[in-house]
Amino acid sequence: GAGVSQSPSNKVTEKGKDVELRCDPISGHTALYWYRQSLGQGLEFLIYFQGNSAPDKSGLPSDRFSAERTGGSVSTLTIQRTQQEDSAVYLCASSFQRGGGEEQYFGPGTRLTVT
Amino acid sequence: AQSVTQLGSHVSVSEGALVLLRCNYSSSVPPYLFWYVQYPNQGLQLLLKYTTGATLVKGINGFEAEFKKSETSFHLTKPSAHMSDAAEYFCAVSGPGANSKLTFGKGITLSVRP
Repeated sequence: GAGVSQSPSNKVTEKGKDVELRCDPISGHTALYWYRQSLGQGLEFLIYFQGNSAPDKSGLPSDRFSAERTGGSVSTLTIQRTQQEDSAVYLCASSFQRGGGEEQYFGPGTRLTVT
Repeated sequence: AQSVTQLGSHVSVSEGALVLLRCNYSSSVPPYLFWYVQYPNQGLQLLLKYTTGATLVKGINGFEAEFKKSETSFHLTKPSAHMSDAAEYFCAVSGPGANSKLTFGKGITLSVRP
């Protein structure tokens, strides 16, 4: 079946502009995660959605970052007033949550470059 | 709080040689442990995981890892390296419970020499 998809695959934006990154999780997966992969910081957790529960936003680096998940499926990560340090690969993952330890399936990522 | 340490950033082995990638973790709760692999320009793929039960876990592509609580380690091994194993390998930890957010190590790049 279809895996996790992300769009766009690459995004170049000017400093100060807003960007939206999209994630389509695997159908039926209840949990959705966003991570960021950068040279300096490695792989970092950003935000977690599970069903109708309040999202865990503890990994968002600043209030310029926000995310939503509509209808328990598609998720959008928004970065406002982008800065050069936001340049990274943004990875989305989904899983069927049962209580812990489930495999997370990752998308190919969106490479964001802020000029 | 949880953390993962992967010492070194690069390992090089000859084709057919043993692969050993080290991972140590810190966790205040019983950990769930994972190894993910990332091939160039691709997303992460799960190699294997430990949740409960048998401490020696086998994964895909001939890899295995052993959970050693006394050493807080979860080293990844493969008896015989193949050229196709060249990739970046990440060790990760999560806690029990519904929120399985992963805390990753810095990753190790494995090169395989012919």
